[in-house]
Amino acid sequence: RKEVEQDPGPFNVPEGATVAFNCTYSNSASQSFFWYRQDCRKEPKLLMSVYSSGNEDGRFTAQLNRASQYISLLIRDSKLSDSATYLCVVTVNDYKLSFGAGTTVTVRA
Amino acid sequence: SQTIHQWPATLVQPVGSPLSLECTVEGTSNPNLYWYRQAAGRGLQLLFYSVGIGQISSEVPQNLSASRPQDRQFILSSKKLLLSDSGFYLCAWTRGGTTNEKLFFGSGTQLSVL
Repeated sequence: RKEVEQDPGPFNVPEGATVAFNCTYSNSASQSFFWYRQDCRKEPKLLMSVYSSGNEDGRFTAQLNRASQYISLLIRDSKLSDSATYLCVVTVNDYKLSFGAGTTVTVRA
Repeated sequence: SQTIHQWPATLVQPVGSPLSLECTVEGTSNPNLYWYRQAAGRGLQLLFYSVGIGQISSEVPQNLSASRPQDRQFILSSKKLLLSDSGFYLCAWTRGGTTNEKLFFGSGTQLSVL
């Protein structure tokens, strides 16, 4: 079983729509969770950390479900600029982070 | 503020040639340093990480090696490149002396082995 698994998508949504997707992880001892955004042929950039109680950053909401071992990302009021690949990242041990293969989101006008 | 520099941005190399990619971090001391590779349409694969000068942990057996000759310098090398070494190589850092920290990436090197 992969350490981190994501639905690759693509999720094609119109501007203004809400889109949500999950990521599952296999290591129940994982301590930290992040969502990164990656544009084509660019480096991944941190979108947000994911906290146990769930957290929001503008139009983005992240949730953590430790019992079922998944995290989620919800994007409200989608913008064209939200089109990207979203990477789920989970700590494996003190120094290692494992990446999902990414979920592609395409927002159309 | 902290910055990470990685070069070159693109590289085209023939099979069997050597490789040297360099990465430096500024504005922090004793960072944890990482090399990742991303094949086309795939996720990031951790190749090496280092928690201090001269300390290298290898994650996958391969014909690549890494070195950390200075605190904020991380080098990825190969003596003879294979076609399968093509990919997008990313250097990254996290704060040293801490665990479970977020990663910050360099701008990446697109390597094509022909």
